[in-house]
Amino acid sequence: GAGVSQSPSNKVTEKGKDVELRCDPISGHTALYWYRQSLGQGLEFLIYFQGNSAPDKSGLPSDRFSAERTGGSVSTLTIQRTQQEDSAVYLCASSFNRAYEQYFGPGTRLTVT
Amino acid sequence: QQQVKQSPQSLIVQKGGISIINCAYENTAFDYFPWYQQFPGKGPALLIAIRPDVSEKKEGRFTISFNKSAKQFSLHIMDSQPGDSATYFCAARGGGSQGNLIFGKGTKLSVKP
Repeated sequence: GAGVSQSPSNKVTEKGKDVELRCDPISGHTALYWYRQSLGQGLEFLIYFQGNSAPDKSGLPSDRFSAERTGGSVSTLTIQRTQQEDSAVYLCASSFNRAYEQYFGPGTRLTVT
Repeated sequence: QQQVKQSPQSLIVQKGGISIINCAYENTAFDYFPWYQQFPGKGPALLIAIRPDVSEKKEGRFTISFNKSAKQFSLHIMDSQPGDSATYFCAARGGGSQGNLIFGKGTKLSVKP
């Protein structure tokens, strides 16, 4: 079946611009996660959605970052007033629920110039 | 206490040899420990996972060894092949309602033919 998809695959933006990154989870998965992977680093948790519960935003690095999940499916991660340190690969994962395995999408590589 | 420490940072193994990657954690509330494999330009792919009530899990050439008292776990790749050359990440999930994974910083494995 179809896996987690993310778009765009690459995004180059100028410092100070806003960007939106999209994630389509695996159908039927109620949990959705966003992570960030900087060059040569491990994955850093950003935000977690579980069903209709309030999201766990504890990993968001600043108030410039926000995310929403519409209809319990597609999610959008928005970064406002981008900075060069926001350059990274943004990865989305989904799972059947919290207790199950997380499956990752291919990521969006964001470059802020 | 939320960290997962992974070693070595890089590893070179001859074809047919055994690759061993180690991880350590502090938080005894962690309840799930997966390993992910990541090829360049791709998202992480779940390789194998273990829960703390089990000391070992084997799937094909991949084995996780888990030492609850020492708070350590390791990945063993038997009969390593050049196609196994990738970056490997260990991770841990917090207990309770926490859903996100906490990742180690990764090990870059190169298997020489």
